[in-house]
Amino acid sequence: AQKVTQAQTEISVVEKEDVTLDCVYETRDTTYYLFWYKQPPSGELVFLIRRNSFDEQNEISGRYSWNFQKSTSSFNFTITASQVVDSAVYFCALSGSGTGFQKLVFGTGTRLLVSP
Amino acid sequence: NAGVTQTPKFRILKIGQSMTLQCTQDMNHNYMYWYRQDPGMGLKLIYYSVGAGITDKGEVPNGYNVSRSTTEDFPLRLELAAPSQTSVYFCASIPGQGAYEQYFGPGTRLTVT
Repeated sequence: AQKVTQAQTEISVVEKEDVTLDCVYETRDTTYYLFWYKQPPSGELVFLIRRNSFDEQNEISGRYSWNFQKSTSSFNFTITASQVVDSAVYFCALSGSGTGFQKLVFGTGTRLLVSP
Repeated sequence: NAGVTQTPKFRILKIGQSMTLQCTQDMNHNYMYWYRQDPGMGLKLIYYSVGAGITDKGEVPNGYNVSRSTTEDFPLRLELAAPSQTSVYFCASIPGQGAYEQYFGPGTRLTVT
């Protein structure tokens, strides 16, 4: 079975703090894809990153970075020097051959509140 | 390109009423999906389609129906609305099998009272 766990329901930080959002996944597939989406208060879903299971290199995009570790089945997301505009719900998601047809299995999300 | 569009944005239904949520994409994508997002939860797959005329159930299909007569459109039908169907509904699409991120529509917020 495919499963994504985001154990942190809500995180509150003060602007300029660094914050890491955890994502742990379960799958029996050898080929799979991991995603992060952002859902700001306006409600739309914004794609942030896609990572395939064969690429364990960490990725950095501006203030955002992702740490993928197959050994611990984790795909954590770090925001450096957080800003108020980062306040949103962040979802980790998984798709693989087990889900079929690229269906996504989502975690329950982590709500990030960044205060000035 | 407009991407994925959904109508309506908001709707209030009475118990037992029916309605159709519309989803259209102009990217010529083959795969389309319907998800629901309950308060404080992640998205759960209702139905999906891999091409015109082909649909299949997702994780939570009960109470819903879909059709896919064209590549562009993937409407979701609620036949007898129930309070448990109060949710935000998202439609999404991708070109086809492969490493694609899903393109999501803006969502439809549905309340059943």
